Amino acid sequence: GAVVSQHPSRVICKSGTSVKIECRSLDFQATTMFWYRQFPKQSLMLMATSNEGSKATYEQGVEKDKFLINHASLTLSTLTVTSAHPEDSSFYICSAQRPGTGELFFGEGSRLTVL
Amino acid sequence: KQEVTQIPAALSVPEGENLVLNCSFTDSAIYNLQWFRQDPGKGLTSLLLIQSSQREQTSGRLNASLDKSSGRSTLYIAASQPGDSATYLCAVASYQKVTFGTGTKLQVIP
Repeated sequence: GAVVSQHPSRVICKSGTSVKIECRSLDFQATTMFWYRQFPKQSLMLMATSNEGSKATYEQGVEKDKFLINHASLTLSTLTVTSAHPEDSSFYICSAQRPGTGELFFGEGSRLTVL
Repeated sequence: KQEVTQIPAALSVPEGENLVLNCSFTDSAIYNLQWFRQDPGKGLTSLLLIQSSQREQTSGRLNASLDKSSGRSTLYIAASQPGDSATYLCAVASYQKVTFGTGTKLQVIP
C-alpha cells in the first residue's frame, strides 16, 4: 500500500484563491519531507525542504510567502499556494524521507490548475 | 552544487532486450542514490536504494550499481517488458538535499 498519501490529487481553482495540499507519511515518522514542482516533460524541481517543528528551507527563487509550508507533525506536511495565479498551475509532489536509511517515498502528486 | 545527469534522455527497445540506464553526479559526497520510475501524470515509485557504502542492489529484474569515486550509477533492466515503459529518474542524496537527474524515458515495444 501507499507509504505517502497526498491529497488532493487534482484541484481547479480561480485566480486569487489559496489552495492547500496535504502530504501524509503513513508508514513512518518523517522528520524531513520535501516538496517538488514538476513542469510537463521535465524533471522534478525541489521547492523546499520541510523539517518537523522548524521553518522550511526554500530553494533559491521559490517565494516562501507564496508557497507556505507547514510541518506541524511527524506525519503531516502541508503546502499552501497563496493567491494562486495561472502560472502556478503545475504538478506538485511531496516526499517523505525515512529516518535511518534516507529512502524517499513519494506521494501520487497533486495537479493544480488555476483558471 | 550537485548536478545529476542521465543518459540517454530517451530509449526505445524491443521487448525482451536487456538495457542499461546511466546516471552521473558531480559531487561524490553523497549519502545514498535512489532509482525511481514515474508513469505519466503519476508520482514516483521507488525501485532501488543504494547507500553510499554499498556498490549494488538487486530487486527482481533490476540491478543498480554505484561507483562513488567516478560519480556514476547504472540501472540494469533484464528481459525488458512493455510494462517497464516509463520515465526513470535517479536521485542523489547529500546533506539535507536530494538532487534529481533529468530522467530517461523508456519505451519497450511489444
